[in-house]
Amino acid sequence: DVKVTQSSRYLVKRTGEKVFLECVQDMDHENMFWYRQDPGLGLRLIYFSYDVKMKEKGDIPEGYSVSREKKERFSLILESASTNQTSMYLCASRGRVDEQYFGPGTRLTVT
Amino acid sequence: GENVEQHPSTLSVQEGDSAVIKCTYSDSASNYFPWYKQELGKRPQLIIDIRSNVGEKKDQRIAVTLNKTAKHFSLHITETQPEDSAVYFCAATLLRDSNYQLIWGAGTKLIIKP
Repeated sequence: DVKVTQSSRYLVKRTGEKVFLECVQDMDHENMFWYRQDPGLGLRLIYFSYDVKMKEKGDIPEGYSVSREKKERFSLILESASTNQTSMYLCASRGRVDEQYFGPGTRLTVT
Repeated sequence: GENVEQHPSTLSVQEGDSAVIKCTYSDSASNYFPWYKQELGKRPQLIIDIRSNVGEKKDQRIAVTLNKTAKHFSLHITETQPEDSAVYFCAATLLRDSNYQLIWGAGTKLIIKP
């Protein structure tokens, strides 16, 4: 059974803080993704990675960066959190087949 | 840019009736079309998918149809039950710089009325 875990379910941060969201998968998947989910906007891709130390921008990368030092771990970094980054953040991984497996999500509130 | 449009945004049906959710995509090279279900407070999970070489696929009460010419695909749920209440997302593949990703619809909130 694929497991994708995220470091926090709920997070409250202040404007300007640096925020780290971590995602770990245990299935040796090559591909990992970070999405944000907002009502009425679906799932929007922030960044993805298809291999260790590789990263590609998605549709909304501004204000975010990522790190993938190990295959199982993909981190999303908010360099200086802003209130418009308040959202649900979902991590996903995908192996050789097409299905994406999602983590439980992190609800981030920036005040 | 490439996108996926999903309709309706909210769908309310009587328990036992059928529900249909429709999506259109813009990239003619898309070849894989999954549907994910997200129950309240839970993660999205794949419920059914279809590839471009197939016109229809069925799994018990759930079916997906694909019309490549018109670039649209639909999710059909028959004999709806309370546990079908959820948000449903469609997606289509997009090949970008030799890596493929999914482009997602905005979601449909399905409400099953008892």
